[in-house]
Amino acid sequence: GDSVTQMEGPVTLSEEAFLTINCTYTATGYPSLFWYVQYPGEGLQLLLKATKADDKGSNKGFEATYRKETTSFHLEKGSVQVSDSAVYFCALSAYSSASKIIFGSGTRLSIRP
Amino acid sequence: DTGVSQNPRHKITKRGQNVTFRCDPISEHNRLYWYRQTLGQGPEFLTYFQNEAQLEKSRLLSDRFSAERPKGSFSTLEIQRTEQGDSAMYLCASSLDDPAEAFFGQGTRLTVV
Repeated sequence: GDSVTQMEGPVTLSEEAFLTINCTYTATGYPSLFWYVQYPGEGLQLLLKATKADDKGSNKGFEATYRKETTSFHLEKGSVQVSDSAVYFCALSAYSSASKIIFGSGTRLSIRP
Repeated sequence: DTGVSQNPRHKITKRGQNVTFRCDPISEHNRLYWYRQTLGQGPEFLTYFQNEAQLEKSRLLSDRFSAERPKGSFSTLEIQRTEQGDSAMYLCASSLDDPAEAFFGQGTRLTVV
């Protein structure tokens, strides 16, 4: 079935470091791909999305490119801030059911000042 | 509107007891979703409503689980004869047409002892 595999955490970086969180997927058809973020004490929220191959989603300095050939959707940010500390989830919208989102297991990111 | 509201935030119950959780979605959202999240994992889809109709149920939703959305507004999730394996965070989300644009509540954490 459809699934998402993402880099295990926790990931700890210094402020202003470059961030990559790897994500690969398995899916039938052409899913939409997403990154969600969960800040401490808050609900899950959509960070960015891409709906077709070669699309780049971006928001708040984060970017991810839908790579069909490598079935990947890696999250990147050029210079992280302490406020980026959160849990990040890669996810896809299943072709077989457009009503649900399939999530990866999450990557906890901590940024040191 | 302050977003998706879930009550209670925490619930501790003895094995074998019944529990009920409530979700109040964003008022204009016609779609409502329930997910379950266990420690160290991403959310897993349980069920989805469009207005008052329950349109999809995961096989994770055993016979002991029932969800309702009687007037197409708030929803309840009931677990009968709770088991220790039911211990998890139960998340509710709501959206207009696109499930990826769903707003998530902060969840109800269930602990079965």
